Amino acid sequence: EVQMVESGGGLVQPGGSLRLSCAVSGPTFSSYWMNWVRQAPGKGLEWVANINGDGSEKYYVDSVKGRLTISRDNAENSVYLQMNSLRVEDAAVYYCVGGRGWKLDLWGRGTLVTVSS
Amino acid sequence: DIVMTQSPDSLAVSLGERATINCKSSQSVLKNSDNNNYLAWYQQKPGQPPKMLIFWASTRQSGVPDRFSGSGSGTDFTLTISSLQAEDVAVYYCQQYYSAPITFGQGTRLEIK
Repeated sequence: EVQMVESGGGLVQPGGSLRLSCAVSGPTFSSYWMNWVRQAPGKGLEWVANINGDGSEKYYVDSVKGRLTISRDNAENSVYLQMNSLRVEDAAVYYCVGGRGWKLDLWGRGTLVTVSS
Repeated sequence: DIVMTQSPDSLAVSLGERATINCKSSQSVLKNSDNNNYLAWYQQKPGQPPKMLIFWASTRQSGVPDRFSGSGSGTDFTLTISSLQAEDVAVYYCQQYYSAPITFGQGTRLEIK
């Protein structure tokens, strides 16, 4: 069974940086599109970014372009989200999500990012 | 961006009764090249990550009870729970994966009446 385990969340001041990691178990990691989806406390789901199997294609929601960067390391079965110039509105639980194509099949339990002074 | 709008925002249904949630996209999510609707439904229970129920608008994910069904095409879609069970209390989201950015509906909260 494929599992996603996120780490790296925490408290950061506005303007600060964090790097989220997601470790994926299972032998087929390189065949999955990997996504980050976030959910602010008490709010709905917002897709943030995704990356294809070999890392050659990346897409972002407009609100994070230029500040958040998705990457992956297939040798380590991991996907990352580098978060720079963080804003209060970036505070959320960040879910690592894998899928065949852009369907969001496999969800981690999430890591909480708090942006506050 | 494709805007997804769900209705209603919340819904209370008696146990054993039918629950219906609607989702409308601001443009068609039917891809002519493969005749698939790029529309999925998710269930999120309190304190848990979402779980995919339905993809391609009407295909149930493995292990999802057959009381859950999806229908619709183009811009109008429906998730139906044929006989509500207590464990179905959750927030339900539709999502389009036709084009970037991937977008979700605002969610529909389903409760027991």
